[in-house]
Amino acid sequence: QSALTQPPSASGSPGQSVTISCTGTSSDVGGYNYVSWYQQHPGKAPKLMIYEVSKRPSGVPDRFSGSKSGNTASLTVSGLQAEDEADYYCISYTGSNNLIFGGGTKLTVL
Amino acid sequence: EVQLVESGGGLVQPGGSLRLSCAGSGFTFTNYAMHWVRQAPGKGLEYVSAISSSGGSTYYANSVKGRFTISRDNSKNTLYLQMGSLRAEDMAVYYCARLRGNWYFDLWGRGTLVTVSS
Repeated sequence: QSALTQPPSASGSPGQSVTISCTGTSSDVGGYNYVSWYQQHPGKAPKLMIYEVSKRPSGVPDRFSGSKSGNTASLTVSGLQAEDEADYYCISYTGSNNLIFGGGTKLTVL
Repeated sequence: EVQLVESGGGLVQPGGSLRLSCAGSGFTFTNYAMHWVRQAPGKGLEYVSAISSSGGSTYYANSVKGRFTISRDNSKNTLYLQMGSLRAEDMAVYYCARLRGNWYFDLWGRGTLVTVSS
């Protein structure tokens, strides 16, 4: 089973918005509303940013939002800040107690 | 404080074995399925293994099936990963993570580094 497809990199200037995509199939992203997004700074553990496609855990700024259309989920970061520079990963449920991971996207704040 | 703390990583020769532990605290450990996720140097996250809340069901990535064994001791609030026949490609930071019912990880440990080298 191949990984979910994410762009290797994305970038934006402070204050701008950037969207990171996560493309799968009808067996994972398209088939379930169980897509989550994680932020990882260098040398740190991943941190949950979005779950169930678009829900935000408490403490995560509302600048982070998630959505899904068909087999592609998206994470949008609005009002980019320097501290948003990190790697971002998507994960989707794929049935039968299985999860599939995205390859990760490095977000650079210019 | 709600946390997961991994231990047991280190340097091991190819073909060797290592046991990782993950201690949970600040929450009811027995209520949650748990996962091991690894990250090779400079690479992305990779699913390794999972175990149900009771320990009755276990799951493995194809890359580790037959070589790794996941287990848990709910009386000690601890998750384990017994790794055998280690290969260079198993070298990674290993994270334990708590799985919520709707298939997302809401709590991660800081990770423990496994180095496989002669």
